[in-house]
Amino acid sequence: NAGVMQNPRHLVRRRGQEARLRCSPMKGHSHVYWYRQLPEEGLKFMVYLQKENIIDESGMPKERFSAEFPKEGPSILRIQQVVRGDSAAYFCASSPSNQYEQYFGPGTRLTVT
Amino acid sequence: RKEVEQDPGPFNVPEGATVAFNCTYSNSASQSFFWYRQDCRKEPKLLMSVYSSGNEDGRFTAQLNRASQYISLLIRDSKLSDSATYLCVVSPAGNNRKLIWGLGTSLAVNP
Repeated sequence: NAGVMQNPRHLVRRRGQEARLRCSPMKGHSHVYWYRQLPEEGLKFMVYLQKENIIDESGMPKERFSAEFPKEGPSILRIQQVVRGDSAAYFCASSPSNQYEQYFGPGTRLTVT
Repeated sequence: RKEVEQDPGPFNVPEGATVAFNCTYSNSASQSFFWYRQDCRKEPKLLMSVYSSGNEDGRFTAQLNRASQYISLLIRDSKLSDSATYLCVVSPAGNNRKLIWGLGTSLAVNP
């Protein structure tokens, strides 16, 4: 049973470009969560999604950031017009319907030059 | 007051030592509690869920004190490989699946 998969593992973007981060949850998991972690800081919740629905986006910056979890395919976190401050590790986690425990993917390390 | 508070440490202990971490939470209606560990530059990994009756998994013991709103993690016979950051995590009341994360306690086990 494959774990949570994220790609790419490393992503380099120039300021002003777009970044697309992908997350495939564990098989059978219908809840997906995105987190951001800056160097030497704690995890920051960004958004919680179920298939085709955003449940809680209270941690998402108001501009440039969006997330989706379509009926088919992975969840996508999209960052438009990236800035240096977006450089961070972005982790995705998933959980099954009958549990609250979250299982994490290996993360995508975004570097904005 | 933060929703979940942990002593950031670092805790420096010799191999074989017993070390305990505490974590306090502010919402008395919180329902589920977990300990995760995170190695440097890696993803958090679930260490154990914390049950009302307390639970043990090998060298690790977790306790929940609802009256005082704190959770503890005890590690016995520390190994070098236990060096990591330990994250206390709480789920709020109701059906909200958004977990509340502590900032973590750093542990370094020395030879």
